[in-house]
Amino acid sequence: GENVEQHPSTLSVQEGDSAVIKCTYSDSASNYFPWYKQELGKGPQLIIDIRSNVGEKKDQRIAVTLNKTAKHFSLHITETQPEDSAVYFCAASTTGPFPGGGADGLTFGKGTHLIIQP
Amino acid sequence: DADVTQTPRNRITKTGKRIMLECSQTKGHDRMYWYRQDPGLGLQLIYYSFDVKDINKGEISDGYSVSRQAQAKFSLSLESAIPNQTALYFCATTGQDTDTQYFGPGTRLTVL
Repeated sequence: GENVEQHPSTLSVQEGDSAVIKCTYSDSASNYFPWYKQELGKGPQLIIDIRSNVGEKKDQRIAVTLNKTAKHFSLHITETQPEDSAVYFCAASTTGPFPGGGADGLTFGKGTHLIIQP
Repeated sequence: DADVTQTPRNRITKTGKRIMLECSQTKGHDRMYWYRQDPGLGLQLIYYSFDVKDINKGEISDGYSVSRQAQAKFSLSLESAIPNQTALYFCATTGQDTDTQYFGPGTRLTVL
């Protein structure tokens, strides 16, 4: 089955600096890669995702890049703010060619605790 | 109102007891999932269901069972709880036209 490795486990950055979290996956059939943010006492919430037919995707201060050949993908957060402090999880799954094509559940990385220092 | 609700939010029980965790969703989705979260281990898939007649085991299903009572309801049971089942449990749902999984707020289960 799929195995997802995530690094680092803890990341501390100064407010306003950039943060990068990296993940690798093992199953070449995986084609959907979401990133979730989990705040204390809450369930994970999707912040951005990417499909394998796209190399990069941006949404304001957040971007995700995917390298299918190397089987790794990364989350980039620019101009970090205190509210970015949380645990971030990467995940991978195999779905159909279109959204909702049949996700058999997500395989998650172990999480990164992002700390934004004032 | 929250799209995905879980009850109870916290539960303390004793070894050997049977316990049921419940999940309801109002998004009208057909797919529902149960995950377990342990500190430093991320989330692991226990069971998932694509509709009321379709139940599938995830990577860590041993010691757990599920029931899909209706499209909107998916329950997780521990027939005989043991201490290493102490964890956070999350329910999630997704639909046929999206890959996004929407998570509930979680149930913190402690087995003494």
